[in-house]
Parts: sequence; C-alpha cells; structure tokens
Amino acid sequence: NAGVMQNPRHLVRRRGQEARLRCSPMKGHSHVYWYRQLPEEGLKFMVYLQKENIIDESGMPKERFSAEFPKEGPSILRIQQVVRGDSAAYFCASSPMDGTGGYEQYFGPGTRLTVT
Amino acid sequence: DQQVKQNSPSLSVQEGRISILNCDYTNSMFDYFLWYKKYPAEGPTFLISISSIKDKNEDGRFTVFLNKSAKHLSLHIVPSQPGDSAVYFCAASSNSGYALNFGKGTSLLVTP
Repeated sequence: NAGVMQNPRHLVRRRGQEARLRCSPMKGHSHVYWYRQLPEEGLKFMVYLQKENIIDESGMPKERFSAEFPKEGPSILRIQQVVRGDSAAYFCASSPMDGTGGYEQYFGPGTRLTVT
Repeated sequence: DQQVKQNSPSLSVQEGRISILNCDYTNSMFDYFLWYKKYPAEGPTFLISISSIKDKNEDGRFTVFLNKSAKHLSLHIVPSQPGDSAVYFCAASSNSGYALNFGKGTSLLVTP
C-alpha cells in the first residue's frame, strides 16, 4: 500500500515532554500538509511543506510547534513541552502538485496524541 | 471563524434511499470544494470534488451540487448503503491558499 504513512498511531506523553510525529507522503508526492483535529471538531490546517521548505505555517501555534520536511526521510511535526490542550488527532496529507486549489489531498491514518 | 459550516451533526437514512448532506461557506474566495468520508480511528478518505466553474459533478453513487450564489453545496448518495455510514466532511480551498478549510462533519447512519 503506497498510501500516506504516519507513525506512531498512538502517542502518550506527560506534560512537559516532547512529541515527535512522523509522516511519509504517498509515492510521487512532494507536498505535505499537517492538520489537527480536536474532539467534536473538523480538521484545522497547521502547516504546508515541500522538501526542505516551509511554504505556509499560518495555522501553526507560534510557540512549541515546529515542522520540517528534510531532503531525505519523513516529515516531522514536533511539539515541545506538551500541555493537555495538545491532546488531539494529528493528520498528515500529501498531494502530487501545488496545493493551490484543484488538487486533492490524501490523508494518512493520523497520530492520536494523549497528554497526561 | 468557521468559514465552512455543516449545520446537521447527524443524519439517519434507510438503506436504498437518498442521503443528502449539506454544506455552507462564507468565503467568496473559495473556488474548489471537496467531500471526505471518515471512519473512526482512520484518516479522511477523498470522495469527490467540484470546481467553482461547475455546478454538478457525479461519480457513481455520489453527486455533488454547487450553488455559488447561495454559497451552498450538497452531496447526494443514491442509493445509500450501510457501508456509507461514516462522518462526512465538507472542505473548501481558494486558489490563493493551500489550506483545506473543513466543516465539523455530519455523521451519516444508513440503517438496513
């Protein structure tokens, strides 16, 4: 299956620890997007990356959150000093071309982060 | 600020009948609309999309209708099947942005 892969699927962290979420896009896709879904809410855009570049991080909280998509390897969403409010499902999506409208994004299964 | 709204949190339909899921948007810059289906503990699965230059797009049992003047779109599923039971998300994007703006979803239950 050459779909979007995310790991881990479930992650439990204590308050103050760091969380690292990984995403491998579909084969042939070079555009990666991260979304967060809080309980009973829709998905909220966080960041859009291409290889080695952050294109749009307008949805990313200003502190503690960072994302990268290195030349080699998966995209990483990093949350430092996690708080209970960070508990959510984090979804990664990829697309084959520029995401400026007209191109579907394909989602991974998500990482469910629980902060205790 | 919720720019994409799905005002019905849930919908129950009998197998074989039509399911109609509705979505409203407020941003007139949106020009591409998508529907995703989501099962519990899985990621959203792309279903069907429509560009603002069209008012209808059909794919098998799924049809999406777009009314730009009303800023409204709907997804029709005919005939509905029990396997269609899931949460359906409406999403929209504009040519100047990359983000998909999602509604909160409608939970569809198709009963035998």
